[in-house]
Amino acid sequence: DQQVKQNSPSLSVQEGRISILNCDYTNSMFDYFLWYKKYPAEGPTFLISISSIKDKNEDGRFTVFLNKSAKHLSLHIVPSQPGDSAVYFCAATVSGSARQLTFGSGTQLTVLP
Amino acid sequence: EAGVAQSPRYKIIEKRQSVAFWCNPISGHATLYWYQQILGQGPKLLIQFQNNGVVDDSQLPKDRFSAERLKGVDSTLKIQPAKLEDSAVYLCASSSRDSPNTGELFFGEGSRLTVL
Repeated sequence: DQQVKQNSPSLSVQEGRISILNCDYTNSMFDYFLWYKKYPAEGPTFLISISSIKDKNEDGRFTVFLNKSAKHLSLHIVPSQPGDSAVYFCAATVSGSARQLTFGSGTQLTVLP
Repeated sequence: EAGVAQSPRYKIIEKRQSVAFWCNPISGHATLYWYQQILGQGPKLLIQFQNNGVVDDSQLPKDRFSAERLKGVDSTLKIQPAKLEDSAVYLCASSSRDSPNTGELFFGEGSRLTVL
Protein backbone atom coordinates (compact mmCIF):
# COMPACT_ATOMS: atom_id res chain seq x y z
CA ASP A 1 0.00 0.00 0.00
CA GLN A 2 1.85 3.04 -1.32
CA GLN A 3 0.64 6.03 0.63
CA VAL A 4 2.98 8.42 -1.19
CA LYS A 5 3.36 8.05 -4.94
CA GLN A 6 5.67 9.61 -7.46
CA ASN A 7 4.46 8.31 -10.77
CA SER A 8 7.26 9.70 -12.92
CA PRO A 9 10.49 7.76 -12.41
CA SER A 10 12.44 10.25 -14.51
CA LEU A 11 12.28 13.75 -15.94
CA SER A 12 14.63 15.57 -18.32
CA VAL A 13 14.64 19.35 -18.58
CA GLN A 14 16.76 21.86 -20.44
CA GLU A 15 18.95 24.15 -18.35
CA GLY A 16 17.18 27.42 -17.54
CA ARG A 17 13.71 25.96 -17.97
CA ILE A 18 11.24 24.98 -15.26
CA SER A 19 11.28 21.53 -13.66
CA ILE A 20 8.02 20.28 -12.19
CA LEU A 21 8.05 17.17 -10.04
CA ASN A 22 4.78 15.69 -8.87
CA CYS A 23 3.66 13.68 -5.87
CA ASP A 24 0.34 12.21 -4.80
CA TYR A 25 -0.70 10.87 -1.41
CA THR A 26 -3.60 8.80 -0.19
CA ASN A 27 -3.48 9.15 3.60
CA SER A 28 -5.65 12.11 4.60
CA MET A 29 -3.96 12.19 8.01
CA PHE A 30 -0.74 13.53 6.46
CA ASP A 31 -0.39 17.21 7.28
CA TYR A 32 3.24 17.97 6.60
CA PHE A 33 5.14 17.33 3.40
CA LEU A 34 8.80 17.46 2.51
CA TRP A 35 11.05 17.14 -0.49
CA TYR A 36 14.45 15.52 -0.21
CA LYS A 37 17.19 15.54 -2.79
CA LYS A 38 19.65 12.69 -3.25
CA TYR A 39 22.90 12.59 -5.20
CA PRO A 40 24.51 9.23 -6.05
CA ALA A 41 26.38 7.59 -3.17
CA GLU A 42 25.07 10.19 -0.72
CA GLY A 43 22.21 10.22 1.73
CA PRO A 44 19.06 12.24 1.04
CA THR A 45 19.19 15.90 2.12
CA PHE A 46 16.26 18.07 3.09
CA LEU A 47 15.22 20.57 0.45
CA ILE A 48 11.92 22.24 1.30
CA SER A 49 8.72 21.51 3.20
CA ILE A 50 5.13 22.67 3.49
CA SER A 51 2.47 22.44 6.15
CA SER A 52 -1.10 21.60 5.23
CA ILE A 53 -2.22 25.02 6.45
CA LYS A 54 -0.45 26.55 3.46
CA ASP A 55 -0.78 25.98 -0.25
CA LYS A 56 2.60 27.33 -1.27
CA ASN A 57 6.09 27.64 0.15
CA GLU A 58 9.00 29.24 -1.64
CA ASP A 59 12.73 29.10 -1.03
CA GLY A 60 14.88 30.68 -3.70
CA ARG A 61 14.52 28.72 -6.93
CA PHE A 62 12.38 26.06 -5.23
CA THR A 63 8.63 26.30 -4.69
CA VAL A 64 6.34 23.62 -3.35
CA PHE A 65 2.61 23.73 -4.04
CA LEU A 66 0.04 21.75 -2.09
CA ASN A 67 -3.48 20.91 -3.28
CA LYS A 68 -5.15 19.24 -0.32
CA SER A 69 -8.42 18.49 -2.05
CA ALA A 70 -6.56 16.60 -4.78
CA LYS A 71 -4.03 15.15 -2.32
CA HIS A 72 -1.32 16.37 -4.64
CA LEU A 73 1.85 18.36 -4.26
CA SER A 74 4.44 19.54 -6.71
CA LEU A 75 7.96 20.92 -6.60
CA HIS A 76 8.88 23.64 -9.06
CA ILE A 77 12.51 24.47 -9.78
CA VAL A 78 13.06 27.70 -11.71
CA PRO A 79 15.45 28.10 -13.40
CA SER A 80 16.78 24.56 -13.52
CA GLN A 81 20.55 24.10 -13.32
CA PRO A 82 22.73 21.09 -14.16
CA GLY A 83 23.63 20.80 -10.45
CA ASP A 84 19.96 20.11 -9.74
CA SER A 85 20.32 16.72 -11.45
CA ALA A 86 19.52 14.25 -8.67
CA VAL A 87 16.77 11.96 -7.37
CA TYR A 88 14.00 13.88 -5.65
CA PHE A 89 11.92 12.16 -2.99
CA CYS A 90 8.58 13.37 -1.78
CA ALA A 91 7.82 12.53 1.86
CA ALA A 92 4.86 12.98 4.17
CA THR A 93 4.23 12.83 7.87
CA VAL A 94 1.61 13.42 10.52
CA SER A 95 2.58 16.23 12.90
CA GLY A 96 3.42 14.83 16.27
CA SER A 97 4.00 11.35 14.88
CA ALA A 98 7.54 11.27 16.18
CA ARG A 99 8.70 12.62 12.82
CA GLN A 100 8.10 9.37 10.95
CA LEU A 101 8.31 10.00 7.25
CA THR A 102 6.68 8.01 4.46
CA PHE A 103 8.63 8.40 1.23
CA GLY A 104 7.67 8.15 -2.40
CA SER A 105 9.77 6.14 -4.82
CA GLY A 106 11.60 9.16 -6.20
CA THR A 107 11.99 10.97 -9.51
CA GLN A 108 15.34 11.18 -11.27
CA LEU A 109 15.73 14.72 -12.58
CA THR A 110 18.27 15.34 -15.32
CA VAL A 111 18.97 18.93 -16.28
CA LEU A 112 20.61 19.09 -19.69
CA PRO A 113 23.15 21.85 -20.38
CA GLU B 1 29.22 20.13 12.65
CA ALA B 2 29.93 16.51 11.78
CA GLY B 3 27.19 14.67 9.96
CA VAL B 4 25.76 11.22 10.47
CA ALA B 5 28.52 8.63 10.14
CA GLN B 6 27.90 5.11 8.85
CA SER B 7 30.10 2.12 8.22
CA PRO B 8 30.86 0.09 6.28
CA ARG B 9 29.96 1.90 3.05
CA TYR B 10 29.78 -1.34 1.10
CA LYS B 11 29.37 -4.97 2.07
CA ILE B 12 29.01 -8.10 -0.06
CA ILE B 13 27.97 -11.33 1.63
CA GLU B 14 26.45 -14.64 0.67
CA LYS B 15 22.93 -15.55 1.67
CA ARG B 16 22.56 -16.98 5.14
CA GLN B 17 25.61 -15.04 6.35
CA SER B 18 25.36 -12.25 8.89
CA VAL B 19 26.23 -8.56 8.65
CA ALA B 20 26.27 -5.58 10.97
CA PHE B 21 26.06 -1.88 10.22
CA TRP B 22 27.11 0.93 12.51
CA CYS B 23 25.79 4.47 12.83
CA ASN B 24 26.92 7.50 14.78
CA PRO B 25 24.30 10.27 14.68
CA ILE B 26 24.84 14.00 14.85
CA SER B 27 25.92 15.01 18.34
CA GLY B 28 22.95 15.86 20.53
CA HIS B 29 20.33 14.28 18.27
CA ALA B 30 18.10 12.16 20.46
CA THR B 31 16.19 10.43 17.69
CA LEU B 32 17.82 7.87 15.42
CA TYR B 33 16.28 6.01 12.49
CA TRP B 34 17.27 3.09 10.30
CA TYR B 35 15.79 3.07 6.82
CA GLN B 36 16.04 0.44 4.10
CA GLN B 37 16.16 1.66 0.51
CA ILE B 38 15.76 -1.00 -2.16
CA LEU B 39 16.81 0.00 -5.67
CA GLY B 40 14.06 1.98 -7.40
CA GLN B 41 12.10 2.53 -4.20
CA GLY B 42 11.97 5.20 -1.54
CA PRO B 43 13.46 4.73 1.92
CA LYS B 44 11.35 2.58 4.21
CA LEU B 45 11.54 2.96 7.99
CA LEU B 46 12.81 -0.11 9.80
CA ILE B 47 13.20 1.18 13.35
CA GLN B 48 13.15 4.45 15.28
CA PHE B 49 14.92 5.11 18.59
CA GLN B 50 14.37 7.96 21.03
CA ASN B 51 17.54 8.05 23.12
CA ASN B 52 18.09 4.34 23.83
CA GLY B 53 14.43 3.32 23.70
CA VAL B 54 12.56 1.92 20.70
CA VAL B 55 9.74 4.17 19.46
CA ASP B 56 8.65 2.05 16.51
CA ASP B 57 9.95 -1.24 15.12
CA SER B 58 6.73 -2.39 13.50
CA GLN B 59 8.35 -2.76 10.06
CA LEU B 60 11.50 -4.50 11.25
CA PRO B 61 11.61 -8.19 10.20
CA LYS B 62 12.41 -9.36 13.68
CA ASP B 63 13.12 -12.94 12.69
CA ARG B 64 16.34 -11.80 11.03
CA PHE B 65 16.90 -8.12 11.80
CA SER B 66 17.91 -6.63 15.13
CA ALA B 67 19.01 -3.17 16.19
CA GLU B 68 20.24 -1.59 19.37
CA ARG B 69 21.26 1.79 20.70
CA LEU B 70 22.57 0.89 24.10
CA LYS B 71 23.94 4.22 25.34
CA GLY B 72 21.59 6.47 23.43
CA VAL B 73 24.24 7.50 20.93
CA ASP B 74 25.67 4.96 18.45
CA SER B 75 23.50 2.27 16.95
CA THR B 76 24.06 -1.04 15.21
CA LEU B 77 21.74 -2.86 12.81
CA LYS B 78 22.30 -6.57 12.34
CA ILE B 79 20.94 -9.00 9.79
CA GLN B 80 21.23 -12.72 10.48
CA PRO B 81 20.77 -14.74 8.35
CA ALA B 82 20.70 -12.54 5.26
CA LYS B 83 18.41 -13.22 2.31
CA LEU B 84 18.77 -12.14 -1.31
CA GLU B 85 15.93 -9.63 -0.86
CA ASP B 86 17.91 -7.83 1.85
CA SER B 87 20.13 -6.32 -0.84
CA ALA B 88 19.60 -2.60 -0.33
CA VAL B 89 21.12 0.58 1.00
CA TYR B 90 20.70 0.91 4.75
CA LEU B 91 20.37 4.54 5.71
CA CYS B 92 20.80 5.88 9.20
CA ALA B 93 19.27 9.24 10.05
CA SER B 94 18.97 11.42 13.11
CA SER B 95 16.83 14.35 14.11
CA SER B 96 16.54 16.93 16.83
CA ARG B 97 13.49 18.51 18.45
CA ASP B 98 15.25 21.82 17.88
CA SER B 99 15.14 21.49 14.10
CA PRO B 100 13.16 24.41 12.62
CA ASN B 101 11.70 22.09 10.03
CA THR B 102 9.23 19.45 11.15
CA GLY B 103 10.23 16.10 9.77
CA GLU B 104 13.73 17.17 8.77
CA LEU B 105 16.02 14.20 9.10
CA PHE B 106 19.77 14.22 8.61
CA PHE B 107 20.88 11.14 6.71
CA GLY B 108 24.21 9.39 6.55
CA GLU B 109 25.69 8.26 3.24
CA GLY B 110 24.30 4.77 3.70
CA SER B 111 25.68 1.24 3.76
CA ARG B 112 25.14 -0.67 0.54
CA LEU B 113 24.55 -4.37 1.09
CA THR B 114 24.72 -6.94 -1.69
CA VAL B 115 23.59 -10.46 -0.85
CA LEU B 116 24.72 -13.11 -3.34
